[in-house]
Amino acid sequence: GQNIDQPTEMTATEGAIVQINCTYQTSGFNGLFWYQQHAGEAPTFLSYNVLDGLEEKGRFSSFLSRSKGYSYLLLKELQMKDSASYLCAVREDNAGNMLTFGGGTRLMVKP
Amino acid sequence: ETGVTQSPTHLIKTRGQQVTLRCSSQSGHNTVSWYQQALGQGPQFIFQYYREEENGRGNFPPRFSGLQFPNYSSELNVNALELDDSALYLCASSLSNNEQFFGPGTRLTVL
Repeated sequence: GQNIDQPTEMTATEGAIVQINCTYQTSGFNGLFWYQQHAGEAPTFLSYNVLDGLEEKGRFSSFLSRSKGYSYLLLKELQMKDSASYLCAVREDNAGNMLTFGGGTRLMVKP
Repeated sequence: ETGVTQSPTHLIKTRGQQVTLRCSSQSGHNTVSWYQQALGQGPQFIFQYYREEENGRGNFPPRFSGLQFPNYSSELNVNALELDDSALYLCASSLSNNEQFFGPGTRLTVL
C-alpha cells in the first residue's frame, strides 16, 4: 500500500513563490505526478518525475528525491488563477497505470 | 480540453438504485482508469481497463463494475447505491502507462 501526505491548505501572495511538499511511502515506485484541479473541474497534468532532480516547465517546477520519498511543486510569479488544489500522485511498480493520490493542497493566492 | 468526455454531467439517484456512467477516451488512447473523488479529498482509484480487460482494481466492492469497448470507451456501473457513493466520478485515459488525461467528471448524488 501507499501513504501520501501533503499540506491541506496554503496561502500565498500574488507575484510570490510557493513550494508545496509531498511525502510518500510505497513498496515500489514508478513515478510521481502533480496535477492542478480548479474547483468543480477535472485535474490537469502539470509534471512527472521518475528520476531524482528538478523538472522545470515555465513557472512550475517539480523536484523528486526517491531516497527520501519526497517531492515538491514550486510555483513562481504566482497569479490569481493559480488558486486551485494541487494533487500529488504516485504510481507504483507493477500496478499498471494506477495512480494513488494524496488529499490535495488547496492554494489560495491573495492580491 | 483533454479530449476525454464523460456523461452525464450530473446525476441524482436514490439508495438501492443502479447507475451507469460513460467515458469516451482521447483518440489513440487504449487505457481507461476510473476514480472516485469525495468532496475535499483526492481521487481514489476504482479500476483500470486496458484493451477491454480489467487491468487493476482499487479497494472498492464488487458492486462497482466496468466495461471497456473495442473503441476504448468505457462504462462504470454501480449497483445498490449507498449514500457514501455520492462523489465526483472521474475517468482518465492514457496510452498504456503514459500520463493520464482526465475528463470533466460526473457528479453523482445519492439521496
